[in-house]
Amino acid sequence: ETGVTQSPTHLIKTRGQQVTLRCSSQSGHNTVSWYQQALGQGPQFIFQYYREEENGRGNFPPRFSGLQFPNYSSELNVNALELDDSALYLCASGGEGTSTDTQYFGPGTRLTVL
Amino acid sequence: AQRVTQPEKLLSVFKGAPVELKCNYSYSGSPELFWYVQYSRQRLQLLLRHISRESIKGFTADLNKGETSFHLKKPFAQEEDSAMYYCALRNTGGFKTIFGAGTRLFVKA
Repeated sequence: ETGVTQSPTHLIKTRGQQVTLRCSSQSGHNTVSWYQQALGQGPQFIFQYYREEENGRGNFPPRFSGLQFPNYSSELNVNALELDDSALYLCASGGEGTSTDTQYFGPGTRLTVL
Repeated sequence: AQRVTQPEKLLSVFKGAPVELKCNYSYSGSPELFWYVQYSRQRLQLLLRHISRESIKGFTADLNKGETSFHLKKPFAQEEDSAMYYCALRNTGGFKTIFGAGTRLFVKA
C-alpha cells in the first residue's frame, strides 16, 4: 500500500461555491499530478506540480488551480463550481516527473456539486 | 491530437481462457505506454509499462508502433484478474498522462 492520502473522502458543494481538496504525497516524491475522473471515464489530467511549481497543464480552465508545499502535501482548488465538476478527483505522486516515473495514486475525493 | 482508445467497455471471459484487452493510441512523438489496474475497492495502480518489457501477474503487453497499439494479453485468465484496466500514455516530457476510458474485465468461473 502506498503512502498517498487524500482528504476529504467525500464532499458535497453547491454551484458557485469554492472547494479545496488535499493530497499528501509519499516522502521524497517531488511531483504531484491531479486528475478528474467522471463516472464511466478514465482519469483526465488537470495539472502537475514539480518542486512547488506547475510544470504542465491539461485542458482545464484557470478556475482549477493548485499548490504544492515543501512538506509533500498539495492542494487542488476549484472556484465557481459547476455541476459538471462532479467527479472523483485523484492525486498521484512520483519522483522527478520523467516519462518513466511511476505514479502512485491516492484513493480519491468524491466531489458532488448540486 | 493525443488520444488513447480502449474500444471495449466490458470484456467477459471464462476462467482459463485467453484474454486480450485492446488499446490504440495517437501521439506524434515517442510516448511511454502503461497499463493501470483498479481492483474492487482498491486504488488505481500500475500494472506494467512498455519500457520494462516484463510480465506482471502473467500479463504482457507489446508496443506496436506501426499499428499504434499496446494490447494487454494473458494466456489463461484467473478470477482474481477481474478488475478495471486502463491503458495510458505519457508524453516525452513526462508531465502529462492520458488515460483511456477503461475496460472492465470479468472472469467467470
